[in-house]
Formats: sequence, structure tokens, C-alpha cells
Amino acid sequence: EPEVTQTPSHQVTQMGQEVILRCVPISNHLYFYWYRQILGQKVEFLVSFYNNEISEKSEIFDDQFSVERPDGSNFTLKIRSTKLEDSAMYFCASSPGQGMTLHFGNGTRLTVT
Amino acid sequence: EDQVTQSPEALRLQEGESSSLNCSYTVSGLRGLFWYRQDPGKGPEFLFTLYSAGEEKEKERLKATLTKKESFLHITAPKPEDSATYLCAVQADSKSTFGDGTTLTVKP
Repeated sequence: EPEVTQTPSHQVTQMGQEVILRCVPISNHLYFYWYRQILGQKVEFLVSFYNNEISEKSEIFDDQFSVERPDGSNFTLKIRSTKLEDSAMYFCASSPGQGMTLHFGNGTRLTVT
Repeated sequence: EDQVTQSPEALRLQEGESSSLNCSYTVSGLRGLFWYRQDPGKGPEFLFTLYSAGEEKEKERLKATLTKKESFLHITAPKPEDSATYLCAVQADSKSTFGDGTTLTVKP
């Protein structure tokens, strides 16, 4: 069964550094998402992406964050200058259409020291 | 603002002891209500999608139901391998809003 893959599984970085989290969504899906989950807290929406542009973003997704689909397969989340509070599990998801089931990857655990 | 409230926060059952998890929601323009299972250190795994009040879906020991204000996930004769956190999410527009989840522990 097709799945969403994320790399790396764990990323440790120093405060102020830039990180790029990578995702390969399911190939025939059209909608792409990033969510995050701080340890012990709920899954929070960051951004949705469709037709090569952001369709919706949350208050969390400020100017430090950006997303890109550089080619036909990858979907990336960049955090320009990481803060301690960015430490979380970041999940990529994709869906075949709006309002349809999200398929999640197993996440990248980001630790900012 | 869309809101999802799940109860109880944690549930401990004996193997074979059936129970239900609740998900109450308020949302403008519900496109779908989703149930996911999340194991520690993993991403949410899709279980069910419900689109309209009165709809029911079943899979093995799990059954999900939907009304206009809440959804239930019924677990019949659970086994230890059903232990996980169960997440409810509602989708409106381009995003899904998740509840805090119910952590289920099933003891043999």
C-alpha cells in the first residue's frame, strides 16, 4: 500500500539554525499538509498546499516557516531560524482531494538545543 | 473557530470489556469527521471517515457513529493490541482540527 515517507526521522539542531524537513507524499494525491505535535499535546495544523500554492495556514505558520514542492515528488518544510519552542514531531500528510482522508507519514522528531 | 473535545482522556479496560470513546465537535461547514489511531512515536493511522449524521462505519472490533454534534468510537471485546491513542479530527475548508485524543489501555 502506498505510504507517505518522511526524512530524517530525527533531526537535532541548534537554536537559530535553518532546518529542512522532507516528505514524499503518495504519488496521485493532490493536497499536502504539515502538522506538528509537541510532546504530550494535540496534533496541530500548520499549512495546507494545493496546486503549488498555500491554501491555508495557521497562526503558528509565521514568516519563519515556508513550504515548497520543488519537483513532482517532494514536499518540504523549512524553518529559517529555529527556536527552542519549535521542538516537536512534524508530520507530513497528503490526501487525494479536499475533505478526504489524510494519510500521514511517521514524522520527523525535531529537537532544538 | 473549530473545536474538538474528546473524552475520556484515558481509558483502561480489561480484555473483552467493551466501551465507547466520545468526540464532541463544533465546526462551520463540516466536510468530514475522521478517526485515527496513533501508536507511540508514529504518525496517525486512518481508521474511519464519516460524512453525515446517522452514518456508521465498522472495522473488526471498532465501530464509528456520527450525529450532528458528536461521534462515538465503540470498541467491542477489545484486545491488548487495541491499546493506542485514538484521535478524532474534523475537516472544514483546507485543514483538519484534532482533539487531544483518548489513550486506551487494554489489559490482558
